Amino acid sequence: GAGVSQSPRYKVTKRGQDVALRCDPISGHVSLYWYRQALGQGPEFLTYFNYEAQQDKSGLPNDRFSAERPEGSISTLTIQRTEQRDSAMYRCASSPRIFSPGANVLTFGAGSRLTVL
Amino acid sequence: ELKVEQNPLFLSMQEGKNYTIYCNYSTTSDRLYWYRQDPGKSLESLFVLLSNGAVKQEGRLMASLDTKARLSTLHITAAVHDLSATYFCAVDGEGAQKLVFGQGTRLTINP
Repeated sequence: GAGVSQSPRYKVTKRGQDVALRCDPISGHVSLYWYRQALGQGPEFLTYFNYEAQQDKSGLPNDRFSAERPEGSISTLTIQRTEQRDSAMYRCASSPRIFSPGANVLTFGAGSRLTVL
Repeated sequence: ELKVEQNPLFLSMQEGKNYTIYCNYSTTSDRLYWYRQDPGKSLESLFVLLSNGAVKQEGRLMASLDTKARLSTLHITAAVHDLSATYFCAVDGEGAQKLVFGQGTRLTINP
């Protein structure tokens, strides 16, 4: 697609429910990233993929968070048993190539705003 | 742990004035990125600085990088209202393929 597409744009859920957030990166982009952005803060790294391989998940807060990108394109970030502290904007980004000079120019999606009641 | 710190965090200025936003980081990275975020919008890439002494300019914005001081600056010349936004700097995470962002500088330019 023309840009990074995320869905849903807004998600309101009750505490304890599972949520799945979807990211469709720019066509052909090799690397896909998930970030979380709290209000008034910078984006915080969660995890990233090169093709279908999850390269780094060190930013995932705990084992309730998981992500996959099974075919090297669309990715899903899943949060199980949501808690109020999970409320934030979840942003996906993609870049066209793997680590090399200048490669980390990320194109961000509009984000999925999660509210846990 | 890599830290990226911006200052000021909030900046209110008059149109036509000049000002500088500072970004300090704690690693030996030689790559630094500036992004802009409008309210309720996503982040848009502004500049990529890839080496010590790099300078990039676009319109009224100029970014520079001093890797020895671990400092980047974003200079605004003769500010106009359209530049009101939040500006983020980001650094490659200690050789890893991820960006670590600063807290952002919320810039408001008053007519």
